[in-house]
Amino acid sequence: QVQLVQSGAELKKPGSSVRVSCKASGGTLSRFAISWVRQAPGRGLEWLGGVVPIFGTPKYAQIFQDRITISADESTNTAYLTLSGLLSEDTAQYYCVRSTGTWGTAFGIWGQGTLVMVSS
Amino acid sequence: EIVLTQSPGTLSLSPGDRATLSCRASQYLSRIHLAWFQQKPGQAPRLLIHEASTRATGIPDRFSGSVSGTDFTLTIRGLEPEDFAVYYCQQYGDFPYTFGQGTKLDI
Repeated sequence: QVQLVQSGAELKKPGSSVRVSCKASGGTLSRFAISWVRQAPGRGLEWLGGVVPIFGTPKYAQIFQDRITISADESTNTAYLTLSGLLSEDTAQYYCVRSTGTWGTAFGIWGQGTLVMVSS
Repeated sequence: EIVLTQSPGTLSLSPGDRATLSCRASQYLSRIHLAWFQQKPGQAPRLLIHEASTRATGIPDRFSGSVSGTDFTLTIRGLEPEDFAVYYCQQYGDFPYTFGQGTKLDI
């Protein structure tokens, strides 16, 4: 049974960067789309972007294009989200998700979430 | 981008009732690229339905999905107490992937 285990909560200053990791245990990430989804307190779900490790090139939502980097390390079965230029509005729970296949397949397995708080 | 509009925003029902949740896409969306999720407080979303009408592994058959044109529906027959949660639809056929704003199913 594949599980996605994310790194711990982060408290960041406005303007700084945060890196969140997502490690797969009991399975692989390589051939699957790995997406990052966030949820601000009391709000809905928002897709930030994703990557299929064997394809290499990530895809990003345009509104984050300038300050997001998504990558994956196949050797350690770990995906990463880096978000820079943090604003208070970036305070949210960040989830990694493994799809059931590559692009165009369902979000089958979710990580437990990582709370990122942005505050001065 | 494809905008998904869910209705109603809140649905107040009782255990044993039937719930009908709607999700309308702003443009054509292939049925194979629409999913429904359930989210309870403090938890990650859980996949219920993918490809508009296929139940995910372990999902009870009281949950069903259907589609008519750009209108997608999640139906829950015989509500159980554990079904009261927030439900989201999502399209994964076109970038950026998008979610509906959610329907809260209330007792």
